[in-house]
Amino acid sequence: DTAVSQTPKYLVTQMGNDKSIKCEQNLGHDTMYWYKQDSKKFLKIMFSYNNKELIINETVPNRFSPKSPDKAHLNLHINSLELGDSAVYFCASSQEIPVGMQETQYFGPGTRLLVL
Amino acid sequence: QKEVEQNSGPLSVPEGAIASLNCTYSDRGSQSFFWYRQYSGKSPELIMFIYSNGDKEDGRFTAQLNKASQYVSLLIRDSQPSDSATYLCAVNIFSGGYNKLIFGAGTRLAVHP
Repeated sequence: DTAVSQTPKYLVTQMGNDKSIKCEQNLGHDTMYWYKQDSKKFLKIMFSYNNKELIINETVPNRFSPKSPDKAHLNLHINSLELGDSAVYFCASSQEIPVGMQETQYFGPGTRLLVL
Repeated sequence: QKEVEQNSGPLSVPEGAIASLNCTYSDRGSQSFFWYRQYSGKSPELIMFIYSNGDKEDGRFTAQLNKASQYVSLLIRDSQPSDSATYLCAVNIFSGGYNKLIFGAGTRLAVHP
């Protein structure tokens, strides 16, 4: 009965390939996020969607394209994978955010991406 | 200047002692502060959140917030080996019309028997 789930858990692929990661939450939250955690364990936001609308788009290469088919799902497609894309990608969700505040974010188990 | 700063550690404490984890942040407008725990190879899980100045206690954990000095801390009483993990401080920043959480690099805590 997982609250935030991601697939796949592990992804090993060659440079130049295109891959997708999927995320689903059953918490009834309105907002979903993608984070990247690099080898130094630094967790950095990439994208955020609120009710299927993109609200945060950090300085991320345009090879990364998020897509939210509905408010319970947020996918991440990566084109032309590079060595530097190797990291753990976490999906998270939260309730709708009051202006100036931040509701608790709940994280998925992560997708460990290794680009060879 | 980094937006959220933490000492990377490792912070080593004996079992039963108090572990004190500190975090400073740069945005004076921040109103929401979170402590997450992350075990190796796992996802971050929420320990506590705090919105108001002062102390907030939950079991063995106490979060302390001082907005004037722009720091937030986490105290873990009666530390256990199972508390050994990386603790991430997260602060909300309101910018460009939306909120986002900025995470510190984390402090690695090691509790030894």
